[in-house]
Amino acid sequence: DGGITQSPKYLFRKEGQNVTLSCEQNLNHDAMYWYRQDPGQGLRLIYYSQIVNDFQKGDIAEGYSVSREKKESFPLTVTSAQKNPTAFYLCASSLRDGSYEQYFGPGTRLTVT
Amino acid sequence: GENVEQHPSTLSVQEGDSAVIKCTYSDSASNYFPWYKQELGKGPQLIIDIRSNVGEKKDQRIAVTLNKTAKHFSLHITETQPEDSAVYFCAASNSGGSGNTGKLIFGQGTTLQVKP
Repeated sequence: DGGITQSPKYLFRKEGQNVTLSCEQNLNHDAMYWYRQDPGQGLRLIYYSQIVNDFQKGDIAEGYSVSREKKESFPLTVTSAQKNPTAFYLCASSLRDGSYEQYFGPGTRLTVT
Repeated sequence: GENVEQHPSTLSVQEGDSAVIKCTYSDSASNYFPWYKQELGKGPQLIIDIRSNVGEKKDQRIAVTLNKTAKHFSLHITETQPEDSAVYFCAASNSGGSGNTGKLIFGQGTTLQVKP
């Protein structure tokens, strides 16, 4: 069963703690992306990676970090420096940059109190 | 940078009626325009897309039109059904030139409600 998986679906953390969100894909896609979604707003790009061991900042990278050690995995860490971390986080992948169709995972809803 | 505006933010139609959602974009170099449907608590799903060398594309009850001169594109859903109720997002990207990443810029979303 191919696709993108994100875990967990719901995540709760105390303020000041770092938290890592998982994203795995078995589609053999080169490119992977992390988006943040807030109520009533569109998706905003946090980080993206076009190839293993390489990634670039998106529009709202401050307070986040990523790694891309394996083609199928692109974890996102929400650090304590992120001022408003509570949001719905979506991971996506596409075959390669320039192959435009992006496929999304089911999302992780992070609540920080 | 690219900016995508989407209207309306909410749309309520009667089952069987048509629904139209419109988007405008700012970067004239944009050449790929997908539409996503997002159901509550789930990730967005691609429902249709269009590239700049095509003016219209249709897939059963869903169609997308593109006007490059005016820099706007629209989603048309005919014979709407209650299961069409969801949030719809348009997006645009520029795949040409150096530094191409396939980055999508999303509109703000339209909440469509189809009343039985």
